[in-house]
Amino acid sequence: QSALTQPASVSGSPGQSITISCTGTRSDIGDYNYVSWYQHSPGKAPKLIIFEVSNRPSGVSNRFSGSKSGNTAALMISGLQPEDEADYYCSSYTGRILFGGGTKVTVL
Amino acid sequence: QLQLQESGPRLVKSSETLSLTCAVSGGTMDSTKYYWGWIRQPPGKGLEWIGSISFTGSTSYSPSLNSRVTMSVDTSKMRFSLRLTSVTAADTAVYYCARWTNFHWLFDYWGQGTLVTVSS
Repeated sequence: QSALTQPASVSGSPGQSITISCTGTRSDIGDYNYVSWYQHSPGKAPKLIIFEVSNRPSGVSNRFSGSKSGNTAALMISGLQPEDEADYYCSSYTGRILFGGGTKVTVL
Repeated sequence: QLQLQESGPRLVKSSETLSLTCAVSGGTMDSTKYYWGWIRQPPGKGLEWIGSISFTGSTSYSPSLNSRVTMSVDTSKMRFSLRLTSVTAADTAVYYCARWTNFHWLFDYWGQGTLVTVSS
């Protein structure tokens, strides 16, 4: 099965908002709400930031939000901060676990 | 606080078997709420799910790796393991172990990862 499709990179200035898309198929994303997002910084363990499309775990900044429309999920980061610079991965669960190819977020 | 730590050989020869173990501490493995998974990241590439195992030994593997993967669990020793046979350079990656929740369908705790290099 193919990975979910994400843009390779997204950038923004501090304080701006950015959106990362995650495109799959109806069977990967469209028919289910089990989409999660992970933040991954070099040398660190990935960190869960969004689950079930739009829910934030305790302790995650409310600057992170998630949504879904059709077969595409999205992660929005508002009020971009330097510490947000990392790789971001979407993931879906439909009996099997898929990850996106990852998006590198650069804070200009 | 749950912690996971990967261990195993960092260098494996091509065509041989990669073996890793994940030690779990600070929590319990004996719960139907969780599976225990392996994920890898080849250099410069994205994350790839390898497979998951329950505390009873029930497994689910990625279709692309199914023929080469075996996972096992030993809850008395608080650990689970990965075996990947017939490795090639394409299996060079950082390997992560993580806990999967069966109620929110996500990986909530991850190990730090260990780089395994396959040499020819």
